[in-house]
Amino acid sequence: EAGVAQSPRYKIIEKRQSVAFWCNPISGHATLYWYQQILGQGPKLLIQFQNNGVVDDSQLPKDRFSAERLKGVDSTLKIQPAKLEDSAVYLCASRRQGRYEQYFGPGTRLTVT
Amino acid sequence: AQKITQTQPGMFVQEKEAVTLDCTYDTSDPSYGLFWYKQPSSGEMIFLIYQGSYDQQNATEGRYSLNFQKARKSANLVISASQLGDSAMYFCAMREGLSGSRLTFGEGTQLTVNP
Repeated sequence: EAGVAQSPRYKIIEKRQSVAFWCNPISGHATLYWYQQILGQGPKLLIQFQNNGVVDDSQLPKDRFSAERLKGVDSTLKIQPAKLEDSAVYLCASRRQGRYEQYFGPGTRLTVT
Repeated sequence: AQKITQTQPGMFVQEKEAVTLDCTYDTSDPSYGLFWYKQPSSGEMIFLIYQGSYDQQNATEGRYSLNFQKARKSANLVISASQLGDSAMYFCAMREGLSGSRLTFGEGTQLTVNP
């Protein structure tokens, strides 16, 4: 079974630029999560999707971050405009219905200069 | 208040010995679950073990076991027979609510296994 795929693996941008990250969950996993992990900290949930609907986006900075999962499969997270404090690893995870454990992708390391 | 507390920023263990990584949690919800994840230097988060609040027995997965003490609100990870490949950051995490699946993570413990 293929794991969670993410791209790109690394991205360097200047502040005020925009960036997008892509995630493809494990096949059949209805729930998809985006987490932000700042260096030296544990991951923090940004947004949770159930199929193509948003379940929880309470910690998403909506003035600059947006995410979509149009067909209930892959998802895109966008930052526009980026700030220095957005430098972090962005992790995507997915979960199968009826189970609690989440499976994570390799992450995208974003550096904002 | 912190929901998940990991008080050991770093731990060292000799190869083949057992090690315990501490985790305490705070919740008022009677239905919750505790997880442990491993994050090697390559960055991916690897699921290790899960314990639900209503589970009667402590969870075990191979060399990993979860020492769940509900009254103390602790969910320590025990790794038996440590291997060099166990060197990584370890995160404790919690979900809350019957249908809740959002994870709250601790700050992590960096484990180093010495040969």
